[in-house]
Amino acid sequence: AQSVTQPDIHITVSEGASLELRCNYSYGATPYLFWYVQSPGQGLQLLLKYFSGDTLVQGIKGFEAEFKRSQSSFNLRKPSVHWSDAAEYFCAVGSFNDYKLSFGAGTTVTVRA
Amino acid sequence: EPEVTQTPSHQVTQMGQEVILRCVPISNHLYFYWYRQILGQKVEFLVSFYNNEISEKSEIFDDQFSVERPDGSNFTLKIRSTKLEDSAMYFCASTSSGANVLTFGAGSRLTVL
Repeated sequence: AQSVTQPDIHITVSEGASLELRCNYSYGATPYLFWYVQSPGQGLQLLLKYFSGDTLVQGIKGFEAEFKRSQSSFNLRKPSVHWSDAAEYFCAVGSFNDYKLSFGAGTTVTVRA
Repeated sequence: EPEVTQTPSHQVTQMGQEVILRCVPISNHLYFYWYRQILGQKVEFLVSFYNNEISEKSEIFDDQFSVERPDGSNFTLKIRSTKLEDSAMYFCASTSSGANVLTFGAGSRLTVL
């Protein structure tokens, strides 16, 4: 069965500092990996996805993520956070033609001035 | 940009009452989903729907739940007799064939008293 672990429940970061959110997955086949962001009162917005190819993927809002098969990880990074990045971030795994996603528990990011 | 629309944004109901949550998927999408997120927990898959029938459902999706596509645009989730533990944010999502990316709505928060 597929599963996703986000080890960090809550991260606080200063505005302008770098951010890294961890995601580990368990999946028997080739995983399709996603990061979604949920701002307060908003729905789930896709930040980026990895299906195949280059293991470093770029997303919206200046985010990037790196797929490391050997570590079963898909960590999300941003070099310099903005106050508007305060939100909850979800890592998810699926597979080709299986649109049912398994989500991690989420990481809440707080940005301090 | 096309979006998935959900109504209501928040509904409060008494235990035992029937609730219908509505979704308008993106117009050319063929695959529809409901997920839910109990406060502080993971986003969980409930059901997928394609070609006017359920294609997969989770163990959460028991006989109290049903889905319907009553016309060409709406996709509804009905909870026949709500329980306290049904209190959650319910997300609708849709995708097109081969896209491998779900587009989520903003969610409907259900509070059962």
